[in-house]
Amino acid sequence: GAGVSQSPSNKVTEKGKDVELRCDPISGHTALYWYRQSLGQGLEFLIYFQGNSAPDKSGLPSDRFSAERTGGSVSTLTIQRTQQEDSAVYLCASSLGTGGKTQYFGPGTRLLVL
Amino acid sequence: GENVEQHPSTLSVQEGDSAVIKCTYSDSASNYFPWYKQELGKRPQLIIDIRSNVGEKKDQRIAVTLNKTAKHFSLHITETQPEDSAVYFCAASMGSGNTGKLIFGQGTTLQVKP
Repeated sequence: GAGVSQSPSNKVTEKGKDVELRCDPISGHTALYWYRQSLGQGLEFLIYFQGNSAPDKSGLPSDRFSAERTGGSVSTLTIQRTQQEDSAVYLCASSLGTGGKTQYFGPGTRLLVL
Repeated sequence: GENVEQHPSTLSVQEGDSAVIKCTYSDSASNYFPWYKQELGKRPQLIIDIRSNVGEKKDQRIAVTLNKTAKHFSLHITETQPEDSAVYFCAASMGSGNTGKLIFGQGTTLQVKP
């Protein structure tokens, strides 16, 4: 079946602009995660959604970052007033529940803030 | 806060040799430890995982060991092949309960020379 998809694959924006990144998880997966990967670095946890529970936002680096998940499926990560340090690859993953379930990653959105 | 340390950052081996990557974690409540392989420009993919109720798991040329007392776990790749060349990330689940949150190590770039 189809894997996790993300759009756009690349995004170039100017400092101060807002951006929206989209994630389509695997159908039926109840958990959805956002990570950030800076050049040559590991994956930094940002936020995760599990079913109808309130999202865990503990990894969001500032209040410029927000995310929502509509209808328990598609998720959008929004970065307001982008800064150059926001440049990174933003990866989305989904899993069939939590507690040790495999997280399947999307291809990522490469964000460049000029 | 919780963190995962991964060593070495780079590893170069001759084809056919073994490769070992080590990780330590700080959260004593961690109970799930996946390993991901990320080829250049591609998404991370799970290669093996282990849960806290076992000490070792094998899958063909890949094995993972876990020492909960010492809070460290290792990835072992035997009979390495050029296609094993990639960046490898370890991760540990965060907090107690059924959370799916993962903390990732900084990655190990493995080069297998033919």
